[in-house]
Amino acid sequence: DAKTTQPNSMESNEEEPVHLPCNHSTISGTDYIHWYRQLPSQGPEYVIHGLTSNVNNRMASLAIAEDRKSSTLILHRATLRDAAVYYCILESLAGYALNFGKGTSLLVTP
Amino acid sequence: NAGVMQNPRHLVRRRGQEARLRCSPMKGHSHVYWYRQLPEEGLKFMVYLQKENIIDESGMPKERFSAEFPKEGPSILRIQQVVRGDSAAYFCASSPRDVPHEQYFGPGTRLTVT
Repeated sequence: DAKTTQPNSMESNEEEPVHLPCNHSTISGTDYIHWYRQLPSQGPEYVIHGLTSNVNNRMASLAIAEDRKSSTLILHRATLRDAAVYYCILESLAGYALNFGKGTSLLVTP
Repeated sequence: NAGVMQNPRHLVRRRGQEARLRCSPMKGHSHVYWYRQLPEEGLKFMVYLQKENIIDESGMPKERFSAEFPKEGPSILRIQQVVRGDSAAYFCASSPRDVPHEQYFGPGTRLTVT
């Protein structure tokens, strides 16, 4: 399985943009890049996914490098409710055994 | 539109007892997945089920663990003769048929073995 590398933790001020990086240098051509987040004491929550082009939805934006070896999840205005562990996961569209690593623990301060 | 339901939310068992964890998928979802999260770690895939079928149980421990998703009723994860190392949060997820990677997770069952 292709691996992802994320910083252990990041900190942001409330209402500031947050850029969460993910490296995946061994990504294969069929791997989609997925992001999930897990709020304290809750199950993971799907955030966004993409293949090659940048993606936007109501929760976040996903910027994918041209060589696909890295990506960045962008929260445009962090709120206290965005404090969570963010997981970057590679999986094909038919894949289902999501590989959650340690993720990035995001701290948002007022 | 109810999400994935899991019960109980917290379960305490003594060593040697059985634990039964239940999961009701989102309405319209026919695929169920179980994951385990040990303290300070990410989730680990255990098993993938469709109605009345186990599709992939490669992440399940070989002994004491079993899962089912009957035609009627919730999916059940059963752990027999629990040991302290089974203490963890167990999450269930469901997905629509054609997008298995887009999984919707329940709130989890936190199992404590004393």
